[in-house]
Amino acid sequence: SQTIHQWPATLVQPVGSPLSLECTVEGTSNPNLYWYRQAAGRGLQLLFYSVGIGQISSEVPQNLSASRPQDRQFILSSKKLLLSDSGFYLCAWSVGTYNSPLHFGNGTRLTVT
Amino acid sequence: AQSVTQLDSHVSVSEGTPVLLRCNYSSSYSPSLFWYVQHPNKGLQLLLKYTSAATLVKGINGFEAEFKKSETSFHLTKPSAHMSDAAEYFCVVSLYNQGGKLIFGQGTELSVKP
Repeated sequence: SQTIHQWPATLVQPVGSPLSLECTVEGTSNPNLYWYRQAAGRGLQLLFYSVGIGQISSEVPQNLSASRPQDRQFILSSKKLLLSDSGFYLCAWSVGTYNSPLHFGNGTRLTVT
Repeated sequence: AQSVTQLDSHVSVSEGTPVLLRCNYSSSYSPSLFWYVQHPNKGLQLLLKYTSAATLVKGINGFEAEFKKSETSFHLTKPSAHMSDAAEYFCVVSLYNQGGKLIFGQGTELSVKP
């Protein structure tokens, strides 16, 4: 069966520090991979998605970047965190066509202080 | 353009009473629609999906949703609420022409009173 691992679960970082969040998927090949952010009391905002190794699409201009160094690994990064980067970050995967559901990790709660 | 609107930001029901969470969509294509549930500080879990088969879709935990094209709706229902149903619920539409990207509604928080 397929599983998704996302870590860390919580993170407190000072403004200006770097960020690296990692997500890996097991049990499937060539998944579509996604990073979402969820601000407090709001819906989900798609940050990045990837349909293959090295292929990253950015949805919104921001202080963050994403990379996909391996087929089932997706990394979210920042060189210098801003206060506005605080939120709940969710990694997700899907396979197949547009009507395939997303499968989410348990998320990372990031607090920038 | 495709979009999704959840008509209630918060719904409160008593345990054992029916649940109705409302969702309307807008889509240029025949849509794929999903309902997800999110418990506090957790990821989202798929409840059910509609992909142009039966219009009444049954999901996990006793939930079901009916696709009504004439009303552009996909409301989520459950006959009898349980305390464990208290969570945030998201209605989602899929973008047919963009590789499976999803548009999320703003969410409905369901509270269940004992």
